[in-house]
Amino acid sequence: GEQVEQLPSILRVQERSSASINCTYENSASNYFPWYKQEPGENPKLIIDIRSNMERKQIQGLIVLLDKKAKRFSLHITDTQPADSAMYFCAASGSGGSNYKLTFGKGTLLTVTP
Amino acid sequence: NSKVIQTPRYLVKGQGQKAKMRCIPEKGHPVVFWYQQNKNNEFKFLINFQNQEVLQQIDMTEKRFSAECPSNSPCSLEIQSSEAGDSALYLCASSLEDTQYFGPGTRLLVL
Repeated sequence: GEQVEQLPSILRVQERSSASINCTYENSASNYFPWYKQEPGENPKLIIDIRSNMERKQIQGLIVLLDKKAKRFSLHITDTQPADSAMYFCAASGSGGSNYKLTFGKGTLLTVTP
Repeated sequence: NSKVIQTPRYLVKGQGQKAKMRCIPEKGHPVVFWYQQNKNNEFKFLINFQNQEVLQQIDMTEKRFSAECPSNSPCSLEIQSSEAGDSALYLCASSLEDTQYFGPGTRLLVL
């Protein structure tokens, strides 16, 4: 079945530096790739997503890149702040469309130190 | 921000007991998903519905869970006979197109 690999599992950066998380997927038919941020005791919140018709998307300090040939996508958080500390999950939808499940990576615990 | 409502927020059951949780999807979202997030933060897809019909479900859900999404009523997910390994966060998400928005979850503890 579909698998999504996410690395690193733990990431520690200093405030104001960049943080990068990488994911790879198996199913070449996947065409939707969201990123969720989850704080302790909370639900996952969508922070940015990218579809297969794009290679790059930016929302303020969040950048996502998609390389369909390599089946790889990544999240880059620029100018990190302590409030960015959380679990981050990448996901891929099996075949796109509203009726397909998300397959999640195992998460990255990001800690931003002052 | 997600407008998906889930109840109860916490549920404690003994082994062998039924455990039922509910979800009200965001208005206008025809597709509802249930996921299980275990203590290692791993997500497992359980089942999804479009309107009242099941689209996909995994084996475990078919054998051990009862789920429905009636019109004009909350969706529900019920474990027929709880096991210790069912202790997890159960997340409901709804979607209009491909973007899924999660509710706050029901945290189940099976003693």
